[in-house]
Amino acid sequence: KAGVTQTPRYLIKTRGQQVTLSCSPISGHRSVSWYQQTPGQGLQFLFEYFSETQRNKGNFPGRFSGRQFSNSRSEMNVSTLELGDSALYLCASGPPLTSGYNEQFFGPGTRLTVL
Amino acid sequence: DAKTTQPNSMESNEEEPVHLPCNHSTISGTDYIHWYRQLPSQGPEYVIHGLTSNVNNRMASLAIAEDRKSSTLILHRATLRDAAVYYCILRGTQGGSEKLVFGKGTKLTVNP
Repeated sequence: KAGVTQTPRYLIKTRGQQVTLSCSPISGHRSVSWYQQTPGQGLQFLFEYFSETQRNKGNFPGRFSGRQFSNSRSEMNVSTLELGDSALYLCASGPPLTSGYNEQFFGPGTRLTVL
Repeated sequence: DAKTTQPNSMESNEEEPVHLPCNHSTISGTDYIHWYRQLPSQGPEYVIHGLTSNVNNRMASLAIAEDRKSSTLILHRATLRDAAVYYCILRGTQGGSEKLVFGKGTKLTVNP
């Protein structure tokens, strides 16, 4: 079974530009969550999608947005990039809910550098 | 979200057991205790979870205190490949949300 895939793996942008990152969950998984990881703040939750609907949102500015398609693939977009947006962006998918929790499967991440 | 407290770092020797502690004094009765780890240059991966009883799987064991205010992840024989940051996370039934709240975690160094 293929794992969570994220594209691109590395990206360099300049301030003011926008960027779109893509995540393909494990086949059969319907929930996709996004996280930002920086040395200073650690791993922070961005948002979560389930069946094309945003189910939860972290404390990030409106420049960060996302969406999920009918095939469960998800994209996140960051507009008007700032230097502080340089980070590893991680995507996680989860199987259909069967109990009070679900194991989350993470992709390798997209390393975004903003110059 | 209930908070967990872990030591910043720990060190172990290869093939020795490792006990990684986690304090969660504000845990609620329905919170599960989850452990994830992040190997260098990789995304986090699930290790183990439990509610009240001790749990074992192929990767590790989880010992949960009787009052559930603390837990310990046990790696029975550390290998160099176990060097990672280990995160202790509390998860409740948040209306089906899969959100994970990560702390700083414990960076485990394994010496050959």
